[in-house]
Amino acid sequence: NAGVTQTPKFQVLKTGQSMTLQCAQDMNHNSMYWYRQDPGMGLRLIYYSASEGTTDKGEVPNGYNVSRLNKREFSLRLESAAPSQTSVYFCASSGTGGTGELFFGEGSRLTVL
Amino acid sequence: AQSVTQLGSHVSVSEGALVLLRCNYSSSVPPYLFWYVQYPNQGLQLLLKYTSAATLVKGINGFEAEFKKSETSFHLTKPSAHMSDAAEYFCAVSIGSSYKLIFGSGTRLLVRP
Repeated sequence: NAGVTQTPKFQVLKTGQSMTLQCAQDMNHNSMYWYRQDPGMGLRLIYYSASEGTTDKGEVPNGYNVSRLNKREFSLRLESAAPSQTSVYFCASSGTGGTGELFFGEGSRLTVL
Repeated sequence: AQSVTQLGSHVSVSEGALVLLRCNYSSSVPPYLFWYVQYPNQGLQLLLKYTSAATLVKGINGFEAEFKKSETSFHLTKPSAHMSDAAEYFCAVSIGSSYKLIFGSGTRLLVRP
């Protein structure tokens, strides 16, 4: 079982460039999330999608956009990358009727020069 | 607002010694609480969760945690540390019906031979 798959795993961008992080899950989960992880700050929620067709801002949404393409896929876009967006990005998913347990991808390490 | 505080960004123990990682939460409603572990260059995986059933929760790899409402704590323990336990550990609390998780800043566990 693949679980949650993120691509790419590594990316280097120049300031001002754009890119999209892709995420797909094969667990038939309704909810999907994007987090960023920075040293000493834990994981902070960027955007989430409680169900197909809906998206909502999390704690740190500025500079990002998301698309819930279908039930399986949830992408994160940086329109004009900034050095402050250098981070490790994690996609996660969770099912309904549960207790909030998240299943995480392996992460995407992004460096913005 | 819900929040999580992990005391100690780094904890060092000897192999075979007791592991104690501290987590305190703030929540206006009964929370769901989680401990996740992250090994180097990997995503987060669930160690254990508290969902308002038994206050002493047992997880994988010999870890357990006790929910203490009076102390608003959910500390993680393991009687005897193994070298393979070296990782970063995150405490998290869920909020609302969307199952968004709020993470602590993490504690890195070092196990000395």
